[in-house]
Amino acid sequence: EIVLTQSPGTLSLSPGERATLSCRASQSVSSKYLAWYQQKPGQAPRLLIFGTSSRATGIPDRFSGSGSGTDFTLTISRLEPEDFAIYYCQQYGGSPLFSFGPGTKVDIK
Amino acid sequence: EVQLVESGGDLVQPGGSLRLSCAASGFPFSRNYMAWVRQAPGRGLEWVSTIYSADSTYYADSVKGRFTISRDNSKNTLFLQMHSLRPEDTALYFCARVKDFVVFGDWGQGSLVIVSS
Repeated sequence: EIVLTQSPGTLSLSPGERATLSCRASQSVSSKYLAWYQQKPGQAPRLLIFGTSSRATGIPDRFSGSGSGTDFTLTISRLEPEDFAIYYCQQYGGSPLFSFGPGTKVDIK
Repeated sequence: EVQLVESGGDLVQPGGSLRLSCAASGFPFSRNYMAWVRQAPGRGLEWVSTIYSADSTYYADSVKGRFTISRDNSKNTLFLQMHSLRPEDTALYFCARVKDFVVFGDWGQGSLVIVSS
């Protein structure tokens, strides 16, 4: 079973600051199969990044993804007020077929 | 514009059954993998099931043997039949379009299932 761990659990930052979110897998994950989602309160998740570093349609370029093997990172270069949310990483291909990390909450400092 | 609208969520007693539906529009439904993902109150996301065809279905271990995913391509509708429901099945159930089989590209707003006596 592939377990995803995200850190930190909560990231308190101010608008304009850089956010660096980590996702670590218990086993190697193909870079083709690592994605990131954003979820705001009362809303469905939204796909941000797929294939480790490809932005989904309409996602601003302040969001970027990187990593390989067991360590992946989502970076928000300059936080906008609408970016304060919970972020989940997700992998495909292990057991279970899909799994999510527990999430990182980015809140306003 | 892709639209996914879930329905069928309700309060049900432990051991009971429920069927969720998801009406899809704005994309070629029959050519897409579809999935259910759930989120317990205040918790993270959990993949439940994925379908391409009746012969191509996948389940999380937590629901295998109790839940059945299906689809009606003539009506652009996805279903999740849930039996032997447990309190731990309480969650908001999202319908999602699966992109390239590996990520959840579009999501509905969810349908709430509460399992409680």
